[in-house]
Amino acid sequence: AQSVTQPDIHITVSEGASLELRCNYSYGATPYLFWYVQSPGQGLQLLLKYFSGDTLVQGIKGFEAEFKRSQSSFNLRKPSVHWSDAAEYFCAVGPGGYNKLIFGAGTRLAVHP
Amino acid sequence: GAGVSQSPSNKVTEKGKDVELRCDPISGHTALYWYRQSLGQGLEFLIYFQGNSAPDKSGLPSDRFSAERTGGSVSTLTIQRTQQEDSAVYLCAINGNWDRYNEQFFGPGTRLTVL
Repeated sequence: AQSVTQPDIHITVSEGASLELRCNYSYGATPYLFWYVQSPGQGLQLLLKYFSGDTLVQGIKGFEAEFKRSQSSFNLRKPSVHWSDAAEYFCAVGPGGYNKLIFGAGTRLAVHP
Repeated sequence: GAGVSQSPSNKVTEKGKDVELRCDPISGHTALYWYRQSLGQGLEFLIYFQGNSAPDKSGLPSDRFSAERTGGSVSTLTIQRTQQEDSAVYLCAINGNWDRYNEQFFGPGTRLTVL
């Protein structure tokens, strides 16, 4: 079955600390992988994606993610978190093109000053 | 989200009433998706349109849910005889154009509350 697991429901970090949000997927074919962010009262914004090639991808707002096929993981990282990064983060997987995405349950990030 | 508007932004209705939710993408996007975001269920796919036809309706939770798209543009999601478990945020998405066609871009959503 196709699925996405985000093991951490809530994470709290201090401003300036590093961040890693975990994402594991189960997918039969080569996946297209995405991270989206949803700030309070806002829609979903695409942070970054992985399709092929270099397994370390850069996104907006200083985020990066690393695809590890052997671990079926696509973890999101940021070296130094800002208070404005407090939001909910969703990992998603799909076959690419015109097809539905399968989302993880999300990780809610809180940032302490 | 850029390129997709949804209306209304909020809808409160009574159990048993019908509701219509609207998604209005900017022109030129043939693919359109509806998703639902609810507490306890996360983000779920509902239906996908390619032009005016829906090759994938697999996510519609019951026959109370239906959707249509006209002119390859505006889409309407209709929920008949609403139930409290239908309370959720309903999101519309489109694929990007050109080299971004593998990416989906989401509208701001309609928050539906069924009393």
